[in-house]
Amino acid sequence: GAVVSQHPSRVICKSGTSVKIECRSLDFQATTMFWYRQFPKQSLMLMATSNEGSKATYEQGVEKDKFLINHASLTLSTLTVTSAHPEDSSFYICSAREQSPNEQFFGPGTRLTVL
Amino acid sequence: DAKTTQPPSMDCAEGRAANLPCNHSTISGNEYVYWYRQIHSQGPQYIIHGLKNNETNEMASLIITEDRKSSTLILPHATLRDTAVYYCIVKAANYGQNFVFGPGTRLSVLP
Repeated sequence: GAVVSQHPSRVICKSGTSVKIECRSLDFQATTMFWYRQFPKQSLMLMATSNEGSKATYEQGVEKDKFLINHASLTLSTLTVTSAHPEDSSFYICSAREQSPNEQFFGPGTRLTVL
Repeated sequence: DAKTTQPPSMDCAEGRAANLPCNHSTISGNEYVYWYRQIHSQGPQYIIHGLKNNETNEMASLIITEDRKSSTLILPHATLRDTAVYYCIVKAANYGQNFVFGPGTRLSVLP
C-alpha cells in the first residue's frame, strides 16, 4: 500500500510554545488529508479534514485557531499546535486519501508531550 | 458515533486462529466493512475490507454474514506480533465519508 510519513515521530516542548507536525504522502497525491488525535487508552478522534488548497474543516469542539492546518500541496499537510499546554499532550495521527482509487492510508503518528 | 460493536478484549494462543467478531446491524447497502489494527504507539494499519463477499488476503480473512449485520476477522495463525487493537469500521465508498473509530478489540496473543 501507499506510504504516509509524519515528522517528527515524537516531540517534547515547553508549555506556551508552538509545535508543527508534518504529514507527507510519499508515493501518491492526496487531495484530502485528515488529522486525528488519540489520548492514552482511547480511540482515534477525528480533529479536522483538509483539502488541498482550501481551508480545513474542523470537528465540533476542536479550536481552529489553536490547531492550524495547512494543506498547501498534494503531498504535504501540516498541523501546528499553537501555544501548547500539557492537556494537548497526545498522539497525533494523519491520514491521506488518494482520489483514485479512493483509498485512505495512515501515518505512523507523532507523540507530543507538553511540559 | 461508531456504527460497530466489538468486544473490548480477547485472548488467543500463539499459533491458533484468532476470530474477532464485529456487529454492524445498521449497515447501509453502500457501506463497506473495513478492518484496521493499531499496534501500540503506531498508526493504524489496514488489514482488509469487504462489501458482501468473504475476502482473503495475506494477512487475514473477512467473513461477512449474508444479512451483512455482522462480520468476523480471522487471523489464521496468530503470532505475538499480532497483539494489537483491532478496529472494525463501516464506511461508504463515497468520497465524503470519513473513518470513525470505535474503541476496538484489544487482542492479546499469548505464548
